Amino acid sequence: AQKITQTQPGMFVQEKEAVTLDCTYDTSDPSYGLFWYKQPSSGEMIFLIYQGSYDQQNATEGRYSLNFQKARKSANLVISASQLGDSAMYFCAILDDYKLSFGAGTTVTVRA
Amino acid sequence: DAGVTQSPTHLIKTRGQQVTLRCSPISGHKSVSWYQQVLGQGPQFIFQYYEKEERGRGNFPDRFSARQFPNYSSELNVNALLLGDSALYLCASSLVGLDREGKLFFGSGTQLSVL
Repeated sequence: AQKITQTQPGMFVQEKEAVTLDCTYDTSDPSYGLFWYKQPSSGEMIFLIYQGSYDQQNATEGRYSLNFQKARKSANLVISASQLGDSAMYFCAILDDYKLSFGAGTTVTVRA
Repeated sequence: DAGVTQSPTHLIKTRGQQVTLRCSPISGHKSVSWYQQVLGQGPQFIFQYYEKEERGRGNFPDRFSARQFPNYSSELNVNALLLGDSALYLCASSLVGLDREGKLFFGSGTQLSVL
């Protein structure tokens, strides 16, 4: 069963503006972890941010922040002040026992 | 310090052949995981090894096998290749088994094309 849903296949954003990437998840575990990874054209998956289900505050890492709404089972990634180097695929993932289950990803293209 | 290294970076095989992909984890990391990423999709879990023992296996046929060596490097083998095996194969390492924060460190992958 699919555990992560990313409904936006592609998005365009103007340089220096913010962009929000949607992610909804499905799990019956009371304790879980949610992650966002960035995959540039080089192929490497780069860890961006983590949100634990019991964390009281939304996670932030530099220009990345996570809008975590537990009741809605959503964990949207916000990238502020977009840069040309942010153009990449972005994947949401959930920790499922010993492995990560990824969504289908969202392509972000930053325009100058 | 070197990150996760994978070899080769690209590989072309024909149907029915066998392939071996290699991965060296970050120094000090004892766990290695393998993921398959088909074009246009997110990575799918194949295997996880920790301390040279298989900890988990994804929904892949027995044609897929792996092992981890005493130096914690790993090999992924795929036998009787099918066209559908064409994908980017990603290796990831972590200090121990996947912890709560899930900080997997990925390599750049091996792009396998099956003709």
